[in-house]
Amino acid sequence: KAGVTQTPRYLIKTRGQQVTLSCSPISGHRSVSWYQQTPGQGLQFLFEYFSETQRNKGNFPGRFSGRQFSNSRSEMNVSTLELGDSALYLCASSLRATSSTDTQYFGPGTRLTVL
Amino acid sequence: DQQVKQNSPSLSVQEGRISILNCDYTNSMFDYFLWYKKYPAEGPTFLISISSIKDKNEDGRFTVFLNKSAKHLSLHIVPSQPGDSAVYFCAARHDRGSTLGRLYFGRGTQLTVWP
Repeated sequence: KAGVTQTPRYLIKTRGQQVTLSCSPISGHRSVSWYQQTPGQGLQFLFEYFSETQRNKGNFPGRFSGRQFSNSRSEMNVSTLELGDSALYLCASSLRATSSTDTQYFGPGTRLTVL
Repeated sequence: DQQVKQNSPSLSVQEGRISILNCDYTNSMFDYFLWYKKYPAEGPTFLISISSIKDKNEDGRFTVFLNKSAKHLSLHIVPSQPGDSAVYFCAARHDRGSTLGRLYFGRGTQLTVWP
């Protein structure tokens, strides 16, 4: 079974631009979560989507948004980029069955550099 | 508010010996704990998990111990191998309220296994 895929793997943008990152979950997984990893803050939760609905959101400004499509693929968008948005953006998928012992599997990440 | 803490940023162990990575948490609602391994520029790879109803879970060379009263868990790797050298993240979650399904991560411990 193919793992979580993320595109693009690397991205360079300038301040003020916007960016869209894509994530394809493991086949059959219906939940997609996004995390930001920076050296200073570690792994920070951005948001989670399940069945095209955002169920959970972390403490990030409104410039960070996302969506999920009917095939469970997800995109996240960052508008008006700032230097501090430079980070590794990770997508994780899980089944989201009723059991709380649901494991999230991560993709390779998208390395975003804002100049 | 760091609800999951890994107080040792680094650990160095000789090949063949035991590696013990520690993790503490503050939120008593956490009921599922996971360990991930991460190489630079890659996404975290799921290693092993444990539910709060257990105190031990084994998978090959990896064993996770959970002490709920102390809010402490540890990952034991026996025997350690050079290929185990990576950053290890402890994560926790609970399925209640507005943070449903969200993973809370520690800052990670860099494990180096030397020959």
